[in-house]
Amino acid sequence: EAGVAQSPRYKIIEKRQSVAFWCNPISGHATLYWYQQILGQGPKLLIQFQNNGVVDDSQLPKDRFSAERLKGVDSTLKIQPAKLEDSAVYLCASSFRTGGGSTEAFFGQGTRLTVV
Amino acid sequence: DQQVKQNSPSLSVQEGRISILNCDYTNSMFDYFLWYKKYPAEGPTFLISISSIKDKNEDGRFTVFLNKSAKHLSLHIVPSQPGDSAVYFCAASVNKGMRFGAGTRLTVKP
Repeated sequence: EAGVAQSPRYKIIEKRQSVAFWCNPISGHATLYWYQQILGQGPKLLIQFQNNGVVDDSQLPKDRFSAERLKGVDSTLKIQPAKLEDSAVYLCASSFRTGGGSTEAFFGQGTRLTVV
Repeated sequence: DQQVKQNSPSLSVQEGRISILNCDYTNSMFDYFLWYKKYPAEGPTFLISISSIKDKNEDGRFTVFLNKSAKHLSLHIVPSQPGDSAVYFCAASVNKGMRFGAGTRLTVKP
């Protein structure tokens, strides 16, 4: 079974530029998450999709971050414009279901973003 | 959003001994708890989970204990092996996405 695929693995941009990350979840997984992990901290949930609908985006900085999951499969996360504090690893994860019997989420390798 | 806390940033144990990693949470609505293991340059890997209706779950060398009254869970690794050296994250969820602790770096010395 193929795992969660993310690209690119690494990205370096200047502040105020824009950047986009792509995620392809495990086949059949209805739930997709984007997490931000700053060095030395645990992953922080940015947004959760159930199929192509947003379940939770309460911690997404909506003035600069956006995410979409067209057709309920692949997803993209965009930052525009980037700030220095956005330097982090962006992790995508997917799970079979949530609520009423949660299941574990499987993570991709992440995209390491450096904003200079 | 410090709903899940891991107060020990690091732990060092001798090979063959028990490793105990601790985690505390504040949200009594959490109903599912998980432990993830992370190696450098990789995403977190699921290790073991427990539902709030249970107080213990075992999987080989790994056991997770849940004390709901204390809002505390722990991961026991017995016996510890050098390959267990990694960062361990505790996570909790209720219907929505998981909230993670800051992680504990476990070092198992040969």
